[in-house]
Amino acid sequence: DAGVIQSPRHEVTEMGQEVTLRCKPISGHNSLFWYRQTMMRGLELLIYFNNNVPIDDSGMPEDRFSAKMPNASFSTLKIQPSEPRDSAVYFCASSFGQINNSPLHFGNGTRLTVT
Amino acid sequence: LAKTTQPISMDSYEGQEVNITCSHNNIATNDYITWYQQFPSQGPRFIIQGYKTKVTNEVASLFIPADRKSSTLSLPRVSLSDTAVYYCLVGDRMNSGYSTLTFGKGTMLLVSP
Repeated sequence: DAGVIQSPRHEVTEMGQEVTLRCKPISGHNSLFWYRQTMMRGLELLIYFNNNVPIDDSGMPEDRFSAKMPNASFSTLKIQPSEPRDSAVYFCASSFGQINNSPLHFGNGTRLTVT
Repeated sequence: LAKTTQPISMDSYEGQEVNITCSHNNIATNDYITWYQQFPSQGPRFIIQGYKTKVTNEVASLFIPADRKSSTLSLPRVSLSDTAVYYCLVGDRMNSGYSTLTFGKGTMLLVSP
């Protein structure tokens, strides 16, 4: 299995532009997570889906952020409009089974820089 | 809410055993304890998971006391390549009844020659 695949690997954009991050979870996994990591705030959970349904989106910073999971093999995280404070590494992770006892499998992340 | 507390950093030398302890006083009855390792520019990687007592795999051991309010990750004979950030993770129970997964700050382990 190729693992969790994220694209792009790096994204540089100007403030105000729309940014879309993409994630393909491991086939057969039923939960998908979006995390954001910065030096100041560490790893923050933004949102997670179970069976394509959003379960916890309390970590989504504000209305500028939105996430979708149209099917079991694809998810997007969109930021519109982007701001410099959104600069971070965004990780997608997936797991199979109950989330309180199933290891997370992370992608290699998307490093976002907003200038 | 279940919350984890770990030392911010630890130093060790090659060949030594390293023990990193995590406290999780409010762990729920059916929650497991999972440890991850993260290298720079990579996503966290699963190391080991346990529910109680002791679990061992090819890279680490996990010790969990009977009250499950803490856990200790043990890395035998560390090498320079074990320099990384280590996170322990337990579920956070939301008001909805669902669990969520919130990482703490992690422990930065530095292994020196």
